[in-house]
Order: sequence, then structure tokens, then C-alpha cells
Amino acid sequence: GQNIDQPTEMTATEGAIVQINCTYQTSGFNGLFWYQQHAGEAPTFLSYNVLDGLEEKGRFSSFLSRSKGYSYLLLKELQMKDSASYLCAVRDSNYQLIWGAGTKLIIKP
Amino acid sequence: IAGITQAPTSQILAAGRRMTLRCTQDMRHNAMYWYRQDLGLGLRLIHYSNTAGTTGKGEVPDGYSVSRANTDDFPLTLASAVPSQTSVYFCASSDSPDNTGELFFGEGSRLTVL
Repeated sequence: GQNIDQPTEMTATEGAIVQINCTYQTSGFNGLFWYQQHAGEAPTFLSYNVLDGLEEKGRFSSFLSRSKGYSYLLLKELQMKDSASYLCAVRDSNYQLIWGAGTKLIIKP
Repeated sequence: IAGITQAPTSQILAAGRRMTLRCTQDMRHNAMYWYRQDLGLGLRLIHYSNTAGTTGKGEVPDGYSVSRANTDDFPLTLASAVPSQTSVYFCASSDSPDNTGELFFGEGSRLTVL
């Protein structure tokens, strides 16, 4: 079966750095996505990785290793507004998205 | 404001009733999707449409139907609602399922079936 694993919840301190991991086992691979979802709101796109390596976008970076079935989202200089759930999703060989359950990130002052 | 609009935002429904969740986008995106989101689970695809006039079944299609008469609209119908269909429903669109495929989501419809 297809599976996306990510931690259920993480806590970090304002101004710090946090890394949210995602491991996947899917039927084929056509890209990995990270979305941010604030409580009660819609998910919004953060990043897309299809090749191995690091993609940097401001305070957020996303890393992919296809051979290890592994990705992480790195958030730097954490702000209170970064408190949200972070969803990892993999597009399989049929171009369907398989979603993880999300990681709830709690930022403390 | 361009985007994707869902209605209703929230609804309480008696079991056995028929319900249609509406979804409209003005971005001229080809692909549209309906997901449900339940606590502790990832988003699960109910139905999708890669282009107007075509639809396909996702991971959890039973009890739901969709239509795609035009590019903009993609309604989701529950023919006879059951309590297990209590969930938050998200409609999403993308300009194509085969490129980077970034999804744009509506604000969600919270449905409670009693």
C-alpha cells in the first residue's frame, strides 16, 4: 500500500529552527509537495520537489532524497504565525496525490 | 477576487437527506478535485475531473457523485447522507494534473450528518 509518514505534532520556540520530516512509500514518484494549513482554513502551497536536493524559498526550505523516500521541511526564524499544520503529499505514478496526516507545529514564545 | 469558492461553509444535515456541495473556480483551471479531511487522516480524494466533461473516482468515492458540465463548476452530491460522511470537504483546482500540479483550495465546507 501507499503510505506517507510524518510526526503528529512538534513544538518549537519563536525565533528558532524546526525540521519536519516526511517519509513515503508510494507506487511511483512524480513529485513531493508541502502545504501549510492554519486551523480552520484551507491548505496553501509551500513547496514542490521533484529532483533530489534542497529548494529554498525565504525562511522555508524543502529537501528531497528519492532513494531514501524522504523529505523534510525546514522553517527558520520561526514566527508565531507559523503555528499551523504542515502537510506532506506525494504524487504517484498515476499523478494522484497521496497525503500525509499532517504535522501540527506549535510555536511557543 | 480570483480563486475557488465553496458553498455552503457549514451545514447540519439529517441522515438520509440529499445534499450538494457547490464549488466554483474562476481561474480557468482544467483539473478539479474533491477531498474530505478527517482528524488524524490525510486528505482523501473523493472524485476528480481532469477536464470539463470527464470525471474519475478517487480513493473514497462511495456515497458521492460529481459532474463537470463546464470548466468552472464541480458540484459534489451526497445522494443519501450517512453519519460517516461528517467531515470537512475541500474543493481544489489546478491548471493541469501533469505539471507541478500546485493545488488551489477552497475554504472548505464543514458537514455534519446526524
